[in-house]
Amino acid sequence: GQNIDQPTEMTATEGAIVQINCTYQTSGFNGLFWYQQHAGEAPTFLSYNVLDGLEEKGRFSSFLSRSKGYSYLLLKELQMKDSASYLCAVQGDSWGKLQFGAGTQVVVTP
Amino acid sequence: DTGVSQNPRHKITKRGQNVTFRCDPISEHNRLYWYRQTLGQGPEFLTYFQNEAQLEKSRLLSDRFSAERPKGSFSTLEIQRTEQGDSAMYLCASSVPAGELFFGEGSRLTVL
Repeated sequence: GQNIDQPTEMTATEGAIVQINCTYQTSGFNGLFWYQQHAGEAPTFLSYNVLDGLEEKGRFSSFLSRSKGYSYLLLKELQMKDSASYLCAVQGDSWGKLQFGAGTQVVVTP
Repeated sequence: DTGVSQNPRHKITKRGQNVTFRCDPISEHNRLYWYRQTLGQGPEFLTYFQNEAQLEKSRLLSDRFSAERPKGSFSTLEIQRTEQGDSAMYLCASSVPAGELFFGEGSRLTVL
């Protein structure tokens, strides 16, 4: 079957680092996206990985291992505004047809 | 504002009524997508268009749901004979081919 798993919630303090893991089992794979979604708002694009390895973009980095069906999103120097849900999504055979995980709620505390 | 625009933002209706949502994508994007999101879950794919052609529909999209994009610009999603299980946030997104999806803020449907 098709499955995307990520932790439900993570809590970290301001200035710390948090790593959100995502494992997937899908029939088609053409890359993995990470989106950020604040409560009541639209999901916004953070990163896209299609090849194995680490992609760094400012305070956010994303890693992919296709052979392990595994990705993580690393958030560094956490700020209060980073409190949000982080969605892992696998790109299947039809571009834009994404299969999303349930999201990881990150709570940043002072 | 040049982002994806959806309206209405909120709709409360009684079971059995029909509702229609509109999405205006980013103007240069020829792909348009509809997703549905319930509380505590990630978005679920419903359907997508390339220009005016509807290329794929999810099995989640029952016969009561219909989507159109008549001139390859804005799109509408109609739900007929609404049921309580249709209560959700309906998200529209657009993209260029092989580009990331830009989502609108959604239309929240509550069916009483």
